[in-house]
Amino acid sequence: KQEVTQIPAALSVPEGENLVLNCSFTDSAIYNLQWFRQDPGKGLTSLLLIQSSQREQTSGRLNASLDKSSGRSTLYIAASQPGDSATYLCAVRSGGGADGLTFGKGTHLIIQP
Amino acid sequence: EPEVTQTPSHQVTQMGQEVILRCVPISNHLYFYWYRQILGQKVEFLVSFYNNEISEKSEIFDDQFSVERPDGSNFTLKIRSTKLEDSAMYFCASSQTPNTEAFFGQGTRLTVV
Repeated sequence: KQEVTQIPAALSVPEGENLVLNCSFTDSAIYNLQWFRQDPGKGLTSLLLIQSSQREQTSGRLNASLDKSSGRSTLYIAASQPGDSATYLCAVRSGGGADGLTFGKGTHLIIQP
Repeated sequence: EPEVTQTPSHQVTQMGQEVILRCVPISNHLYFYWYRQILGQKVEFLVSFYNNEISEKSEIFDDQFSVERPDGSNFTLKIRSTKLEDSAMYFCASSQTPNTEAFFGQGTRLTVV
């Protein structure tokens, strides 16, 4: 059964810093991995989708990498801003015909002004 | 920009009652999903729906739950005989295929009292 773990569980950094969020998954046979942002009491906003054949994806200040063989992904946020404060969720679609995503518990990020 | 919409945003119901949560997926998407998030816990997959039938369901999705696409735009989750432990945020999502980006709605917060 696929398990997704995110480290750290919480992170507080000053504005302007570059930071890295980590995600690991136990079964490397995945179709894709998706990073989301969740604001308190709100829905999930998709940030980036990486297919299993890709190594990285970029969107603005965000860069996500995928090392499928080692079961790891990182989300790099450049020049962090207070508006980046949110919980960041990693989710994988496993192989074997699964449709649904398996989520990690998230990293709660606070950017201090 | 197209989005997934869910109604109601918040529903309070008495234990034992039936509830119907409603979703309008993105119009050109073919796969529809329901997820739930119990407070403080991970987002969990419930069910996927394609071509007017269930494609995949998790072990959470037992006989208490059912899904339906009653017309060309709506997608519903029915929970029969609600229990206190059904209290959670329920998210609807849609995608063109299971291997493309999944877009989530803002969620329905269900409180069973």
